[in-house]
Amino acid sequence: ILNVEQSPQSLHVQEGDSTNFTCSFPSSNFYALHWYRWETAKSPEALFVMTLNGDEKKKGRISATLNTKEGYSYLYIKGSQPEDSATYLCALRDDKIIFGKGTRLHILP
Amino acid sequence: EADIYQTPRYLVIGTGKKITLECSQTMGHDKMYWYQQDPGMELHLIHYSYGVNSTEKGDLSSESTVSRIRTEHFPLTLESARPSHTSQYLCASSGGQGYEKLFFGSGTQLSVL
Repeated sequence: ILNVEQSPQSLHVQEGDSTNFTCSFPSSNFYALHWYRWETAKSPEALFVMTLNGDEKKKGRISATLNTKEGYSYLYIKGSQPEDSATYLCALRDDKIIFGKGTRLHILP
Repeated sequence: EADIYQTPRYLVIGTGKKITLECSQTMGHDKMYWYQQDPGMELHLIHYSYGVNSTEKGDLSSESTVSRIRTEHFPLTLESARPSHTSQYLCASSGGQGYEKLFFGSGTQLSVL
């Protein structure tokens, strides 16, 4: 059974500052690692799907990296904005898709 | 824009009632999933399906059952609701390739009194 750990659990960041958080996992035997953003009162939406060691993905101010050998992925947000406030979920996919508990990000004005 | 729909959005029901949570998608996805989430906890996989007539239990034991008679439809049923079933239930689907992302429905918030 895949075990996905995310840290920190909660994070408060001043608007305009950059931040990052971590997803860690014990095994490299999976098809892909996913990052999702879950805003309050909405459904989770996929940010990135990463499959290879060394993968780097970028969408606007948000980027992610994957290191399967050491078992972690980082999500970076540059120049945080109020609309970035959400819970960020990491998930590993093998036969199933298993989620971590998420990092709850609060952007302070 | 995701084409996956869940109904009802909110449901308040008494103990002992039978309920069915509906989930439908129009993307032709073979894989569908049900997740359960309690406040402050992670999304737990309770059921999944890889296609018509295929259903499997997830990692979190659940008293609910599912069926997959049509590709687009993956309903979840509780034969006798209890207060311990109070939770948020999220349905999702994805394409057949191992790397494909999930599309989520809007969720059903179930409260059993």
